Amino acid sequence: GAGVSQSPSNKVTEKGKDVELRCDPISGHTALYWYRQSLGQGLEFLIYFQGNSAPDKSGLPSDRFSAERTGGSVSTLTIQRTQQEDSAVYLCASSGPGQGAYNEQFFGPGTRLTVL
Amino acid sequence: QKEVEQNSGPLSVPEGAIASLNCTYSDRGSQSFFWYRQYSGKSPELIMSIYSNGDKEDGRFTAQLNKASQYVSLLIRDSQPSDSATYLCAVRYGRRYSTLTFGKGTMLLVSP
Repeated sequence: GAGVSQSPSNKVTEKGKDVELRCDPISGHTALYWYRQSLGQGLEFLIYFQGNSAPDKSGLPSDRFSAERTGGSVSTLTIQRTQQEDSAVYLCASSGPGQGAYNEQFFGPGTRLTVL
Repeated sequence: QKEVEQNSGPLSVPEGAIASLNCTYSDRGSQSFFWYRQYSGKSPELIMSIYSNGDKEDGRFTAQLNKASQYVSLLIRDSQPSDSATYLCAVRYGRRYSTLTFGKGTMLLVSP
């Protein structure tokens, strides 16, 4: 079956512009996660959606970052007034169905964001 | 602060050898453990998951978990050059919280 898809695969923007990154999870997966990975660094958790519950936003680095998930499926991560330190690969993952300690997360191909 | 520690490497092994990758974690409440493989420029790919103490084997891969010592390891038998990648250890803390905490990864280099 289809895996997690993300778009665009690459995004180059100018400092101060807003960007939107899209994630389409695996069909039937109820949980969706956003991470980012800076060059040579580990994965940093950003935000987590589970079903209709309020999202866990504890990893968002600043109020310039926001995300929404429409209809329990597709998610959009928005970064406002981008800064050069926002340059990274943004990874989306999904898991499910349901919520549990043993659910495995599967990653999309990522969006490489470059802020000039 | 929940932490997951891995030796950054690189770990160099000859083709056909056993590669041993280790990971330690800080929270005794950890529920589940995962190994991901990440090729350069690609996204992480799930290799193994383990939840109970002991060994779990899948093909050439064996995951080992020791909750008392708070470590998890991944053994790769008959290593191949195609196994050269960064291996990420991930830990989930608790049943309700589904987010994973990742180590920074160990780079494995398998020489022909």
